[in-house]
Amino acid sequence: KAGVTQTPRYLIKTRGQQVTLSCSPISGHRSVSWYQQTPGQGLQFLFEYFSETQRNKGNFPGRFSGRQFSNSRSEMNVSTLELGDSALYLCASSLDGADPYEQYFGPGTRLTVT
Amino acid sequence: AQKITQTQPGMFVQEKEAVTLDCTYDTSDQSYGLFWYKQPSSGEMIFLIYQGSYDEQNATEGRYSLNFQKARKSANLVISASQLGDSAMYFCAMRGVQGAQKLVFGQGTRLTINP
Repeated sequence: KAGVTQTPRYLIKTRGQQVTLSCSPISGHRSVSWYQQTPGQGLQFLFEYFSETQRNKGNFPGRFSGRQFSNSRSEMNVSTLELGDSALYLCASSLDGADPYEQYFGPGTRLTVT
Repeated sequence: AQKITQTQPGMFVQEKEAVTLDCTYDTSDQSYGLFWYKQPSSGEMIFLIYQGSYDEQNATEGRYSLNFQKARKSANLVISASQLGDSAMYFCAMRGVQGAQKLVFGQGTRLTINP
């Protein structure tokens, strides 16, 4: 079956703009998690959505938000972009409640803020 | 709070040698899971191996094994017979409460396999 897909793969935005990233989980998976990866901070958990509800949230400002649709696809939005938001954004999907290691990552969206 | 520490920023190993990547963790949870992921330059995180906190045997997956020492809170990854394709970033991660999908990652180790 198809893996986790993320669009777009690359994005260049200007400081102050907003951006929306998309994640399509593996078919049947209901949990989608988002992570930010930067050279300085490493991999940090942003939030997790399960059945259209945010279930977990990391320590990020309110400029970072997300949502999940009824088909489990998820979007994350960053408003008022800052230079420090330049990062690789990874999405992971899971069936939830099945094998504990069943969390599959997508290829990521590389966001550059200028 | 959970914390993962990987003390080796980079490692250089000759092809076909075994390599051990270090990982120590800290948590107050009684039940937790430990993971290792590989991240090639393409960026995608590839799951390698998992160890549950109540698993008595060390996990193995092909050339990968996890040396789990619970009392020392360490979960080192051992790669046997390294290959050029093993060159990548390696991340140790943990997950706490069962059912919660949040992973806490270490800073990673960049492994380079020399021919």
